Amino acid sequence: NAGVTQTPKFRVLKTGQSMTLLCAQDMNHEYMYWYRQDPGMGLRLIHYSVGEGTTAKGEVPDGYNVSRLKKQNFLLGLESAAPSQTSVYFCASRRAGSLTMNTEAFFGQGTRLTVV
Amino acid sequence: AQSVTQPDIHITVSEGASLELRCNYSYGATPYLFWYVQSPGQGLQLLLKYFSGDTLVQGIKGFEAEFKRSQSSFNLRKPSVHWSDAAEYFCAVGPLNTGNQFYFGTGTSLTVIP
Repeated sequence: NAGVTQTPKFRVLKTGQSMTLLCAQDMNHEYMYWYRQDPGMGLRLIHYSVGEGTTAKGEVPDGYNVSRLKKQNFLLGLESAAPSQTSVYFCASRRAGSLTMNTEAFFGQGTRLTVV
Repeated sequence: AQSVTQPDIHITVSEGASLELRCNYSYGATPYLFWYVQSPGQGLQLLLKYFSGDTLVQGIKGFEAEFKRSQSSFNLRKPSVHWSDAAEYFCAVGPLNTGNQFYFGTGTSLTVIP
């Protein structure tokens, strides 16, 4: 059982380049999230999705786009990378429903992105 | 607005000593509170969570946390720290609206010395 898998694990981009981060989960979860982690800032929500074909903005969405064409995949795109987007990116997923239903969030191992 | 504060950026403890990591939250109603641990190079793993009921919550790896409404706190404790506990610890609050996303504190880095 792979859980949440992020691809790639590391990447270096030049300013202005584009790339897509892939998050895949095999737990049939409805909800998926993209976070970025920066020193002293904790994890901040970029975008999230509550189901296939739906996406919504989180706390820091600017400069990013997402797509959820398949339930198991959640893609995070950077159209024109900037040094400010240097960060560690985490994907998470969980079952739908309120958190009282024991719907723990599962995290991927992260993607370390450097924009030079 | 909801928020989570972890006032200690970094803590160093000796192996075998007790540990307490602080977490304060700001939320209009009874929050759902969580502690996650992140080992170096790894994703986040859920240690424990609080929804309601007993204010002392037991988690994995010997951790516990106590919800204190009067202090808006949810501090994480462990009576005897092991070297393998060295990691980054995040407190989080949720759910808040559609999508039920979490809001995280800035994290506390724990170093364990022999």
